[in-house]
Amino acid sequence: DTGVSQNPRHKITKRGQNVTFRCDPISEHNRLYWYRQTLGQGPEFLTYFQNEAQLEKSRLLSDRFSAERPKGSFSTLEIQRTEQGDSAMYLCASSLDGTGYEQYFGPGTRLTVT
Amino acid sequence: AQSVTQLDSHVSVSEGTPVLLRCNYSSSYSPSLFWYVQHPNKGLQLLLKYTSAATLVKGINGFEAEFKKSETSFHLTKPSAHMSDAAEYFCVGSSGTYKYIFGTGTRLKVLA
Repeated sequence: DTGVSQNPRHKITKRGQNVTFRCDPISEHNRLYWYRQTLGQGPEFLTYFQNEAQLEKSRLLSDRFSAERPKGSFSTLEIQRTEQGDSAMYLCASSLDGTGYEQYFGPGTRLTVT
Repeated sequence: AQSVTQLDSHVSVSEGTPVLLRCNYSSSYSPSLFWYVQHPNKGLQLLLKYTSAATLVKGINGFEAEFKKSETSFHLTKPSAHMSDAAEYFCVGSSGTYKYIFGTGTRLKVLA
């Protein structure tokens, strides 16, 4: 399977702990995106990378959130000092320039903060 | 600013009857528009996309959508619903900044 993969699929953590999620995009895709989806809502944009450069961050992304994409390959999203409000599905997507903005999504990581 | 509005949060149809999921958009630019489907515990799957070519766009599984600039709409239709179409559907816009703007979703229920 050469689609977008995300790990872990589920994460349960206690409030105040740090968590890190990983996304592996489709191999030739140069753009990578992170979204957050809460129950009953559509996904909301968090941040995106073109190759290794982080080009845009949403105001939703507080200082507790950080994302990296070393060498323009996989990406990690870290949340420090988690809060109950961080409970959500975190989605990763990737795309290739010149293909009409079409994004391919991974299955998501569901975070539950207790 | 760009926005996408899905006019119905829930739609119920009987199997074999037509499906209509409504989406309006606002954009300062000529947008790219998409419909995605999300089945429970599965990732978002692209159904179809509009990127300023033909205004009537055909997608997978018999779905199609028509871009109407005068009405700022991009409604999703299917002539005959199947049980397997039951899912959450998202209308999505992108105005050249690469990030997606999602609607709030429409949950489609198909009755036997």
